[in-house]
Amino acid sequence: DAGVIQSPRHEVTEMGQEVTLRCKPISGHNSLFWYRQTMMRGLELLIYFNNNVPIDDSGMPEDRFSAKMPNASFSTLKIQPSEPRDSAVYFCANREFYGYTFGSGTRLTVV
Amino acid sequence: GENVEQHPSTLSVQEGDSAVIKCTYSDSASNYFPWYKQELGKGPQLIIDIRSNVGEKKDQRIAVTLNKTAKHFSLHITETQPEDSAVYFCAASTTGGGADGLTFGKGTHLIIQP
Repeated sequence: DAGVIQSPRHEVTEMGQEVTLRCKPISGHNSLFWYRQTMMRGLELLIYFNNNVPIDDSGMPEDRFSAKMPNASFSTLKIQPSEPRDSAVYFCANREFYGYTFGSGTRLTVV
Repeated sequence: GENVEQHPSTLSVQEGDSAVIKCTYSDSASNYFPWYKQELGKGPQLIIDIRSNVGEKKDQRIAVTLNKTAKHFSLHITETQPEDSAVYFCAASTTGGGADGLTFGKGTHLIIQP
């Protein structure tokens, strides 16, 4: 199993542009979490899905952020329009019996 | 909601010495406490966890202790090695690591001096 796969690894975009981050969870795991990591705020939970259904999106900072999980094999996190303060590393993770498995993250830089 | 405080933010120890990282949590309903190690350019990786029905758990050079009364838990690494250098995060959850997700501490940058 290749684990949780995120793409792209790095994204640099201009302020105001739309950004889409992608996540392919581990096959058969039906809980998926999106986290954001910054130096100031650490790891913050943005949203989580269970069986492809968003359960809690209270961590999503603004309406500019949206997430979807159209099927068990794919999830996206979209930011539109992007702002410099969105610069961070974004992780998705699966919940397994023994803890969570994180992807390698997408480092987003908004200039 | 849950709040997790972690100390210290940076810890430097000599190779072979022990390292201790401490966390406190606010929600007495929390019952699952994992520790993650994050190396540069990678996602956090689970290294050990403890549930509220036990007070201590060991895995080779790593141990975690939990004091539910005081609402604090600690990570102990003995005989530290250069490959232990990383950022370590504690976390807490109220549902055994389930649907609520984890609340993380701010992390400890552990530096192992040769």
